[in-house]
Amino acid sequence: DSGVTQTPKHLITATGQRVTLRCSPRSGDLSVYWYQQSLDQGLQFLIQYYNGEERAKGNILERFSAQQFPDLHSELNLSSLELGDSALYFCASSVTSLRGETQYFGPGTRLLVL
Amino acid sequence: AQKITQTQPGMFVQEKEAVTLDCTYDTSDPSYGLFWYKQPSSGEMIFLIYQGSYDQQNATEGRYSLNFQKARKSANLVISASQLGDSAMYFCAMRDVDSNYQLIWGAGTKLIIKP
Repeated sequence: DSGVTQTPKHLITATGQRVTLRCSPRSGDLSVYWYQQSLDQGLQFLIQYYNGEERAKGNILERFSAQQFPDLHSELNLSSLELGDSALYFCASSVTSLRGETQYFGPGTRLLVL
Repeated sequence: AQKITQTQPGMFVQEKEAVTLDCTYDTSDPSYGLFWYKQPSSGEMIFLIYQGSYDQQNATEGRYSLNFQKARKSANLVISASQLGDSAMYFCAMRDVDSNYQLIWGAGTKLIIKP
């Protein structure tokens, strides 16, 4: 158990809908990352937040948005869903130590868009 | 150009044998970090081992070790005495200044341990 929690574990929805994925980082971790893992594209970095502020943006679509709240939990909002958005969405949190910044991943949310 | 290359899409290994999973990388940044993660069929992504570019010794974590050859730009993961539970996808990832310190991922290697 990495200490990162994600809810829900599974989500089935229809095209055009909007969903919210939730992530709670490990205690003490200030950074939260979101990733999308689909069968044909591997692991894609979406966005990073650090202590409530957006720090880095990856291949995140305009239909997707995220935020990190004062208690450091984060939400990823996916709207106008398309079939191609079906994927495993990971949240990770990180701690900086002598070995640099290591990301620890949550169990993921498996999204199926029908 | 690919920044992280894992040339073995899949591998079959007999239980109890040692396994080497290949990873080569490309960076011009002298300061970078290399990571290995394991993804079992259940889906979670598990951190295994880290190697910093300035680390003098190869990283080790239990049965996992990293064969770090800086001049060849390779960071192969070695699993000693493989177990059935080692069957999973294994991903190599790198962080450097060009990636704005975000992780760049390889395509992964699917390892199957045979009893």
